[in-house]
This record gives sequence, structure tokens and C-alpha cells, in this order.
Amino acid sequence: DVKVTQSSRYLVKRTGEKVFLECVQDMDHENMFWYRQDPGLGLRLIYFSYDVKMKEKGDIPEGYSVSREKKERFSLILESASTNQTSMYLCASSRIGDSYEQYFGPGTRLTVT
Amino acid sequence: LAKTTQPISMDSYEGQEVNITCSHNNIATNDYITWYQQFPSQGPRFIIQGYKTKVTNEVASLFIPADRKSSTLSLPRVSLSDTAVYYCLVGDGRNFGNEKLTFGTGTRLTIIP
Repeated sequence: DVKVTQSSRYLVKRTGEKVFLECVQDMDHENMFWYRQDPGLGLRLIYFSYDVKMKEKGDIPEGYSVSREKKERFSLILESASTNQTSMYLCASSRIGDSYEQYFGPGTRLTVT
Repeated sequence: LAKTTQPISMDSYEGQEVNITCSHNNIATNDYITWYQQFPSQGPRFIIQGYKTKVTNEVASLFIPADRKSSTLSLPRVSLSDTAVYYCLVGDGRNFGNEKLTFGTGTRLTIIP
């Protein structure tokens, strides 16, 4: 069974802290994605990566960076967390050439106080 | 990316067939229609994808008319466990550069006992 795992289900951080969200997939997928989901706004793409060390900005990259050092792992970094980054963060992966069939992780609910 | 319009919410009783329609008037020739399902506190799950006519799998059916300007997701004999948000997406995820998905806010389906 395909699997995307995220390092934490719930996370509470203070304003100004550096935050790392980790995502690992076991399907040997080339594409990996980070989204955030907020009530009334749906899912919004932050960054995606189509290969190791490659990244592309999504619709809302400001305040975030990403790292992909290994094919199976994609990290989202909040350099200096702010309260408006309180959200549900979802990671996904897909095969290259089939990005409309994405497999999602369970999500990390991040609260920044 | 083609814009989609779907109802914000729907209610249905257990055991009934539920049809959720999505409008996508500016769908492009190479675009596919994809539906995702999201349960509370979980990531979205791919459920079905089609290009034209009818597609059926173990979860749902997808009906696409000849002009492809709309599509209908059909859930047969729903149960309480089908309560979820359903997202309609339109695009061509096969080509590099087309990896972005736009989820919108989806249709919140509530099944009533």
C-alpha cells in the first residue's frame, strides 16, 4: 500500500522559531508537493519538487522554503514562524507525468503562538 | 488551469445515489477531470479521473458529456462514511510544468442517517 508520512500530526511553535516539517514517501515518486489548507480557502500549493535538489514555487511561497536532498524526502521550512502560518500542512507525491493523481499524507496541524 | 464551479454543500440520506456536478466551461483539449475526496482530519484521496464519456471504479462513477464543459461524480448508495468534502479538478498533469493542482473549496457532502 502506498504511503506518505509526515513527521508530526500536531505541532505548536512560538513566533520567530524556525520550523521544519518533514515528509517521506515510499512509492519512488519523482514529484512531491507541499500545501496548506485553511477554512474557506481550500488547499493552496506552497512549493513542489520534481527531482532531487529541484524546486518550483507554488501559489503562496512567501515565508517558506523547501529542501529535497533525497528522492523520498521533502522538507518544508518556516524560517521565522508567524501567527498567520498557523494552518494544516499537507504533503503529497505523484509519479512524473501523472501529477493529477497525487497521494497525500495525513497532514500536520501547526499552531504558531 | 480551467476554473471549476461546484456546489458548496449537499445533504443526502443513507442509501441514496448522490450526484455532484462540476462546471468547467473553459476546459482545454488535453485536460482531464479528476475528483478527490477528503475526510475530516485527513489528506485528500484520489478517487476517479476521466477524459470523456463514463468511467467507473469501485468507489464512484464519473459522467462526462460530449462537450466536456461539465462532469458529474456519482456515488451509489451512500453511507455515513461517505460524508466528506469532494473536489473537482481539471487540468493536464501529464506534462512537465503542469504539476500544479487547484483544489478550490470543494463540495461538502453530508449523509443523514
